[in-house]
Amino acid sequence: TQLLKQSPQFLSIQEGENLTVYCNSSSVFSSLQWYRQEPGEGPVLLVTVVTGGEVKKLKRLTFQFGDARKDSSLHITAAQPGDTGLYLCASAYSGAGSYQLTFGKGTKLSVIP
Amino acid sequence: NAGVTQTPKFQVLKTGQSMTLQCAQDMNHEYMSWYRQDPGMGLRLIHYSVGAGITDQGEVPNGYNVSRSTTEDFPLRLLSAAPSQTSVYFCASSLRRQRNYGYTFGSGTRLTVV
Repeated sequence: TQLLKQSPQFLSIQEGENLTVYCNSSSVFSSLQWYRQEPGEGPVLLVTVVTGGEVKKLKRLTFQFGDARKDSSLHITAAQPGDTGLYLCASAYSGAGSYQLTFGKGTKLSVIP
Repeated sequence: NAGVTQTPKFQVLKTGQSMTLQCAQDMNHEYMSWYRQDPGMGLRLIHYSVGAGITDQGEVPNGYNVSRSTTEDFPLRLLSAAPSQTSVYFCASSLRRQRNYGYTFGSGTRLTVV
């Protein structure tokens, strides 16, 4: 089982600012997923990255997978109040012939209007 | 709308009571799982299933049972509720048990054991 460390744990910013959150592991990821969770709801998948160095964009969100596949970052440009939520990274690992997802503890983002 | 449906949304139990948390998906997903989410602990895997009739334990299985008689349903049973089982429970499913496939989560069941 991989241990995923997310930083920062909490982040409070003003609307319009840029921000980056991080997900790191001492082990190599086979793949990495990012989710956003709003209060009272389940996590919602944002993106899956599988190739070292991969960059994916989703509107104002940019996801990067480290070359060594041990780290990933999520950058938000011009944050909006609708971006508020808990951002979770999750890594796949193999066990008993299938893969399981291990989740980090998340970064709680608050965007203040 | 297609997705993962969890019931009930909220539940209060007394210590020692039993109950079943329901989970159903209509996406013909092969893989289903149960997680619990606690402050400071993140999401932890309780049990999972790779298909009808096949289940296995996750990281924190003690005190919980599961079964999967159909592709659509994956109920979670609390045998004798304890205060330590107070948590938010999420059911999640995935089309395939492969690393490229993301999970679809239900909206959760908030359980309080008193």
